[in-house]
Amino acid sequence: ETGVTQSPTHLIKTRGQQVTLRCSSQSGHNTVSWYQQALGQGPQFIFQYYREEENGRGNFPPRFSGLQFPNYSSELNVNALELDDSALYLCASSRDGQEIQETQYFGPGTRLLVL
Amino acid sequence: AQSVTQLDSQVPVFEEAPVELRCNYSSSVSVYLFWYVQYPNQGLQLLLKYLSGSTLVKGINGFEAEFNKSQTSFHLRKPSVHISDTAEYFCAVSGSNDYKLSFGAGTTVTVRA
Repeated sequence: ETGVTQSPTHLIKTRGQQVTLRCSSQSGHNTVSWYQQALGQGPQFIFQYYREEENGRGNFPPRFSGLQFPNYSSELNVNALELDDSALYLCASSRDGQEIQETQYFGPGTRLLVL
Repeated sequence: AQSVTQLDSQVPVFEEAPVELRCNYSSSVSVYLFWYVQYPNQGLQLLLKYLSGSTLVKGINGFEAEFNKSQTSFHLRKPSVHISDTAEYFCAVSGSNDYKLSFGAGTTVTVRA
C-alpha cells in the first residue's frame, strides 16, 4: 500500500510569486486535507477536498486555493506569496470525508521558504 | 470551535524512565482526540485516538492515553522510553461533527542515555 506522497520536498520562492504544491493520496482514500505548520507551531487546517469538492476551509485568505483530481490527488496553490507563508505544508488523506473517525494519514510535507 | 493546549513545550527524559505529556482541550460539543508524533524531517504519524468507549486508549510503540471528560484532558504516557522516542508530539481534537483537526503547539521530547 503506497502512503501519502508530496512534491516537491523543498521550495524557495520570493515575495509576490505563486506556488503549487502537490499531494498523492494513499490508495483507497478519497479525501485530502491540507495543513500549514509554521516553525515551532502545530499544524493549522487550510482546507479539505472530498470527491473533488471543497469540503471545508480554515481561516486562510482566498489566495490559498486547491484542487482535487479524479484520481483523488490534490494541489495547493498559493498566490502573491508573503514572508509569513514560509512553513511546512502537510497533506493528509483519509478514506471518507464524511466520517471524521477515519484516520488522517500525513505525507512528509513540503517545506516552503519565501524570501 | 475546539482548541488544544499542550502544557509542556519541552520534556527532557532519561532512557527507560516514564514520560507523561499533558494535553487539555476546550470544546462545547463532543470531541474526538488524537495524539500524533513527528520525527525530524518527517510528516505526522498517528499514535492513538479516542472516539468513544473505554477512556484508556492504547496506541503504537507502547504509548497510552487517558480521556478525562471532567478535566477535559487527554494525557499521553509511556512507562519506559527509548532513545528512538525523541520527537515532537502533537495533541489534536476534532468535534464529533467536524472534519478538521485542531492541533496543539506540540511537545518536544528529548530522550537521553
